[in-house]
Amino acid sequence: NAGVTQTPKFQVLKTGQSMTLQCAQDMNHNSMYWYRQDPGMGLRLIYYSASEGTTDKGEVPNGYNVSRLNKREFSLRLESAAPSQTSVYFCASSDRAGVSYEQYFGPGTRLTVT
Amino acid sequence: GENVEQHPSTLSVQEGDSAVIKCTYSDSASNYFPWYKQELGKGPQLIIDIRSNVGEKKDQRIAVTLNKTAKHFSLHITETQPEDSAVYFCAASRGNNRLAFGKGNQVVVIP
Repeated sequence: NAGVTQTPKFQVLKTGQSMTLQCAQDMNHNSMYWYRQDPGMGLRLIYYSASEGTTDKGEVPNGYNVSRLNKREFSLRLESAAPSQTSVYFCASSDRAGVSYEQYFGPGTRLTVT
Repeated sequence: GENVEQHPSTLSVQEGDSAVIKCTYSDSASNYFPWYKQELGKGPQLIIDIRSNVGEKKDQRIAVTLNKTAKHFSLHITETQPEDSAVYFCAASRGNNRLAFGKGNQVVVIP
């Protein structure tokens, strides 16, 4: 049982390049999330997927797109990276509301955009 | 939307002393309040949570208290140990699985 896995662990991009961050969970959770963590800013929600087939914007969605590929996988895409997207990105998953509210986080992807 | 604030931003304590972190929230409809611990280089991990129908919850050396009237909740760590050094995040939710996180507190336990 690996929990939540994220790839890659580190990435350096040049401004304007694109990339996809991958996330997978093996806990049969319904909900999945993408956060970014910046110094002094805490965890800010980018997008989330309450269940397979649905996605919704969070607090800071601009510049990102997501795909809930299946129940296990939730990817985050940066179409044209900007230096302001330099951050640590965390994927998380949780069971459905009313069953459990605990969110399980992956180890993070450290992204630098130059 | 929900706004969660944490104080202080950094807290240094002597090993064996107690640490208290306070959070305030703005949405009176919030009914679930978790605390997450983040160790260096890792993702956050839930350490304790409380629902709005409970005023206090304890788990060994950690406890959380909730004051719904004042809209604040606190994390208490007793008999602090070096492994308690980490960043702690509070959060609030309306019970729809979405969490609004505070900005985090760095706790440093001095041996």
